[in-house]
Amino acid sequence: EVQLVQSGAEVKKPGESLKISCKGSGYSFTNSWIGWVRQVPGKGLEWMGIIYPGDSDTRYSPSFQGQVTISADKSLSTAYLQWSSLKASDTAMYYCARHWVGATSGGTWFDPWGQGTLVTVSS
Amino acid sequence: QSVLTQPPSVSAAPGQKVTISCSGSSSNIGNNYVSWYQQLPGTVPKLLIYENNKRPSGIPDRFSGSKSGTSATLGITGLQTGDEADYYCGTWDSSLSFGLFGGGTKLTVL
Repeated sequence: EVQLVQSGAEVKKPGESLKISCKGSGYSFTNSWIGWVRQVPGKGLEWMGIIYPGDSDTRYSPSFQGQVTISADKSLSTAYLQWSSLKASDTAMYYCARHWVGATSGGTWFDPWGQGTLVTVSS
Repeated sequence: QSVLTQPPSVSAAPGQKVTISCSGSSSNIGNNYVSWYQQLPGTVPKLLIYENNKRPSGIPDRFSGSKSGTSATLGITGLQTGDEADYYCGTWDSSLSFGLFGGGTKLTVL
């Protein structure tokens, strides 16, 4: 069974750093894209970025480029999302999800999704 | 404001059919495949449709997807109260080289 298990909820102060994780199992982590999606409470889904652990190729949405860093450790089958200086506006639920690319179609989709990590940034 | 436009809400009675639209442009929906996700209240998003009209294992055939030009549509027949959820479309944007989600549509089954 393909599973993505995320690290637990975090409460941080503005200006602090943070790294959350997403561990994959049941599939070839190294050879599959994995992505991060943000959901601010009461709002919609926002595509943040994806990484290919095999070669660390990373793509970011312009909205998140420079604001976060996506990385992966293929030896641990784990992807990471990190901030160097959190802001109150980073308060949200963050989901990781396996990012598929259709072999013949080139279509893309997310499945499955991790359980989510709630990040709260408050002074 | 999302690049992919969805109606904020739709509603229909149990047993009826509803459609949810997702409008984009030639750089995204027009030249890429569309996926759809269901997010029941307080839960993790779940894939409903991929590659415009394919259903993952376990998704009932009451859910269907289609695409025409720069718009896509999710159809749900035989509505049940358990279908009340937020629904999101997603695709890739070839010009911007990143993915997109629509703003989401809240389905109410009256």
